[in-house]
Amino acid sequence: KAGVTQTPRYLIKTRGQQVTLSCSPISGHRSVSWYQQTPGQGLQFLFEYFSETQRNKGNFPGRFSGRQFSNSRSEMNVSTLELGDSALYLCASRTTLAAPSYNEQFFGPGTRLTVL
Amino acid sequence: GQQVMQIPQYQHVQEGEDFTTYCNSSTTLSNIQWYKQRPGGHPVFLIQLVKSGEVKKQKRLTFQFGEAKKNSSLHITATQTTDVGTYFCAVLLRGSQGNLIFGKGTKLSVKP
Repeated sequence: KAGVTQTPRYLIKTRGQQVTLSCSPISGHRSVSWYQQTPGQGLQFLFEYFSETQRNKGNFPGRFSGRQFSNSRSEMNVSTLELGDSALYLCASRTTLAAPSYNEQFFGPGTRLTVL
Repeated sequence: GQQVMQIPQYQHVQEGEDFTTYCNSSTTLSNIQWYKQRPGGHPVFLIQLVKSGEVKKQKRLTFQFGEAKKNSSLHITATQTTDVGTYFCAVLLRGSQGNLIFGKGTKLSVKP
């Protein structure tokens, strides 16, 4: 099976702009989660989508939003970019067909966002 | 909120030495996962522990889950240069299945 793919891999934006990142999960995976990784804060959960519905949301401002399509592909959007939004944005998918206690997440390569 | 503390933050070892990273929580955990992230890469799942006192081995890696399910460790025997990377523990936010709370990670460097 192909792994999780994310596009674009690198992005440079300026403050105030908005950005949309895309994630294609492993075929058959219906749960997609997004994480932000920075040197200072580490890996932080943004949100999770399952069957086009947001199930959980992390502690991020409303400028961060996402959605999931019927084919399980997901996008996240950050509006009014700030310098502090510079980070590696990681998408992860997991199967929901295994036992409920099994939660292995498969991460994509990430999108490196730089805000100038 | 729920947190998990991971120590040490950095570990520098000579190739062939052992390495251990620890993860601690103030609350009882339903399970704990371990991930490895190579430099420039993304986190890769290593293992999930769910039972109290559980010990699992993967070649030179030994994973333990504490009896009280509040701590865990990852031990690497006789490190190799291929072990370089950052090791993260991660726990599920209570009531969630897709929301992982990550430790800050332990960055391992191995000197040949």
